[in-house]
Amino acid sequence: KQEVTQIPAALSVPEGENLVLNCSFTDSAIYNLQWFRQDPGKGLTSLLLIQSSQREQTSGRLNASLDKSSGRSTLYIAASQPGDSATYLCAVKGPTDSWGKLQFGAGTQVVVTP
Amino acid sequence: EPEVTQTPSHQVTQMGQEVILRCVPISNHLYFYWYRQILGQKVEFLVSFYNNEISEKSEIFDDQFSVERPDGSNFTLKIRSTKLEDSAMYFCASSDGGSLTGELFFGEGSRLTVL
Repeated sequence: KQEVTQIPAALSVPEGENLVLNCSFTDSAIYNLQWFRQDPGKGLTSLLLIQSSQREQTSGRLNASLDKSSGRSTLYIAASQPGDSATYLCAVKGPTDSWGKLQFGAGTQVVVTP
Repeated sequence: EPEVTQTPSHQVTQMGQEVILRCVPISNHLYFYWYRQILGQKVEFLVSFYNNEISEKSEIFDDQFSVERPDGSNFTLKIRSTKLEDSAMYFCASSDGGSLTGELFFGEGSRLTVL
């Protein structure tokens, strides 16, 4: 059974510092991996989607890498801002799972201090 | 920008009562899902729905749960007889079938409190 782990559970950085968020999964046979942002009491906002054949995806200050063989993905957020404070979740889809069935990690709660 | 909308944002109900949570997925999307998040726990898959039928459901999605697409725009989750442990945030999501990227778009959630 696929297990998705995110370490650390919480992270506090000063504004301007780069953020590095880790996601690991036990079964390397994934179809894709998606990173989300969740603000307190709110829904999930899709940040980046990486297909299993890709090594990385970029959107603005965000860059996500994928190393399937080692079961890891890393989300980099450059030059962090207080508005980046949120919980970041990663989720994977297995190759035989039905469309849209994702396995989520518990998330990393990020606080960016001014 | 197209978005998934959910109503109500918060519902309080008594144990044993029926609850219906409503969702309007993104208009050109073909795949619809419900997830839930119990406070302090991971987001969990409940059910996926395509072509007017359930594609897959989790162990959580027992006979007390049902989903329906009553018309061309709404997608509902019904809990027949709520239990205390059904208290959670319920998220609706949708994805398209054309690009086959599998990217999911989530709504803001409906918080269900069962007393």
